[in-house]
Amino acid sequence: AQTVTQSQPEMSVQEAETVTLSCTYDTSESDYYLFWYKQPPSRQMILVIRQEAYKQQNATENRFSVNFQKAAKSFSLKISDSQLGDAAMYFCAYIHNNNDMRFGAGTRLTVKP
Amino acid sequence: DAGITQSPRYKITETGRQVTLMCHQTWSHSYMFWYRQDLGHGLRLIYYSAAADITDKGEVPDGYVVSRSKTENFPLTLESATRSQTSVYFCASRGTSGRASYEQYFGPGTRLTVT
Repeated sequence: AQTVTQSQPEMSVQEAETVTLSCTYDTSESDYYLFWYKQPPSRQMILVIRQEAYKQQNATENRFSVNFQKAAKSFSLKISDSQLGDAAMYFCAYIHNNNDMRFGAGTRLTVKP
Repeated sequence: DAGITQSPRYKITETGRQVTLMCHQTWSHSYMFWYRQDLGHGLRLIYYSAAADITDKGEVPDGYVVSRSKTENFPLTLESATRSQTSVYFCASRGTSGRASYEQYFGPGTRLTVT
């Protein structure tokens, strides 16, 4: 079964600085999708960024970018110019057959003013 | 545009009781999903549905029942609630074409406590 591992239960960053959240996954498939979801205290799951495994170019969405290393099965999220509103739980997720999305245990990000 | 809604948002029930969590989406998405979120586990898939009257098990289906008589609704029933089912439950949906075919859209969640 596919597994997703987030090795950092908690991370902290100073406002305006850059932080990187780590994610590794285990799969034997070659075609899949990876996501980062943000969950603020409201509990709402918000899609931050996604990456198609067949694309070599790393996805970017404004201040959010990923470092996708397919051979290493690594998918880290970089948040630049961190803002107070970025404070949340961040979940890495993997999906292959479009039905069974697997999530990591999450990383709680604190942003210090 | 209501999107995807869940009810109730909070529920307290007793061990052994039956409880149903509701999920409704207005996008006419084909796929719908139920997840539970527990500390240290992220979200885990309970059941999903590819269309009306088509459902399948996910990673943690034991103790749960689903049905889908209409495309827009996907209720989750705990037939005899246990304390281990205390959790936050999320419903999600996705379409089958274009960008929506891979992204799942989540409801606001239901916090269920079984005493």
